[in-house]
Amino acid sequence: DQQVKQNSPSLSVQEGRISILNCDYTNSMFDYFLWYKKYPAEGPTFLISISSIKDKNEDGRFTVFLNKSAKHLSLHIVPSQPGDSAVYFCAASGYGGATNKLIFGTGTLLAVQP
Amino acid sequence: DSGVTQTPKHLITATGQRVTLRCSPRSGDLSVYWYQQSLDQGLQFLIQYYNGEERAKGNILERFSAQQFPDLHSELNLSSLELGDSALYFCASSEQGLVQETQYFGPGTRLLVL
Repeated sequence: DQQVKQNSPSLSVQEGRISILNCDYTNSMFDYFLWYKKYPAEGPTFLISISSIKDKNEDGRFTVFLNKSAKHLSLHIVPSQPGDSAVYFCAASGYGGATNKLIFGTGTLLAVQP
Repeated sequence: DSGVTQTPKHLITATGQRVTLRCSPRSGDLSVYWYQQSLDQGLQFLIQYYNGEERAKGNILERFSAQQFPDLHSELNLSSLELGDSALYFCASSEQGLVQETQYFGPGTRLLVL
């Protein structure tokens, strides 16, 4: 049972335009959400996070939006740059417990065309 | 560079064999996590350790075991290997293993079982 879903395996965007990556989750106990970026032959790198008490968090070109009622979050990258081309993983954690284990989606491959 | 190191980078072995994957966390981090990424799958949480003690367990097979040593490095042991165990295995670390701490990932070990 996939608790975190990224339904778009890939996305292609022109340089300078906005990239929007989407993620849905099913477990209402999740209270913390993260985006990781992964280049080939490297481990995932933390990008941005959001707590369930917020609906938006911004860090430079990256903004994450959380819609708790829809159990949906999205990552906006603007403007997109060729160096942003990577696989983006959405992840969730929390459960209100003591563990910090992450539940990941299957990833979206973003290609930013020059 | 996340500061998390994993060895070996690549491992090729045969079915039925046993292998050990090694991880050194970032300096100062007490908690270590193991994740498995199979083909077309997101990262699946296997197990978490904090300061030598197991803290959380995911869908880790009984053929797999892990431990964290007094110097905080961790090893993941995979035995009676099957073709389906071929995957990327990532180690991550965080300071205290608490909820909402950022996890820093190593570059991974690619395991191929023939």
